[in-house]
Amino acid sequence: SQQGEEDPQALSIQEGENATMNCSYKTSINNLQWYRQNSGRGLVHLILIRSNEREKHSGRLRVTLDTSKKSSSLLITASRAADTASYFCATVAGYSTLTFGKGTMLLVSP
Amino acid sequence: DSGVTQTPKHLITATGQRVTLRCSPRSGDLSVYWYQQSLDQGLQFLIQYYNGEERAKGNILERFSAQQFPDLHSELNLSSLELGDSALYFCASSPMASAGEQYFGPGTRLTVT
Repeated sequence: SQQGEEDPQALSIQEGENATMNCSYKTSINNLQWYRQNSGRGLVHLILIRSNEREKHSGRLRVTLDTSKKSSSLLITASRAADTASYFCATVAGYSTLTFGKGTMLLVSP
Repeated sequence: DSGVTQTPKHLITATGQRVTLRCSPRSGDLSVYWYQQSLDQGLQFLIQYYNGEERAKGNILERFSAQQFPDLHSELNLSSLELGDSALYFCASSPMASAGEQYFGPGTRLTVT
């Protein structure tokens, strides 16, 4: 069953623009993670934010977490064509395993 | 390259058959996770092993089984295959048992005809 739900399902932007993806979840979490998947390949971990954190940065990535609204957002600044991929949020409740959302497909055009 | 290897890359087989997927975790990682990714179900957690022992179970069918060997590599066995089992199967590993960052392999694409 899906815990996280990403929004939008698909996003198309130009190089240099910012891309924002949102994730909503249903139950209390220990942490929330974002992963990237290039077409048909394995997932790559991008960033982990714990339930007691509100914002985290990593390079051009900025993640926010609002536990009161059970939502998170991933911002990619100054997008590049190489950022074209699917992006998944995954939640961890307690010490259990990752539960993934259905993902946002991001297309960055040169 | 995550350091996680999976074989084979592609597998085409017929309904009713049995297949074995193999995964070698990153050096030093004790936890191995198996996931199934399909268009209709998305990315589903199947099962986790930690240092040879089953740690957590997800949406794994009774026709599927897995194990982790003393050298920490893992195998996922899928039997009595159905058309609906066609999917990408990923293995991931992590150093510990708790669900922090996971490192994913390139996947095995299974096609059941």
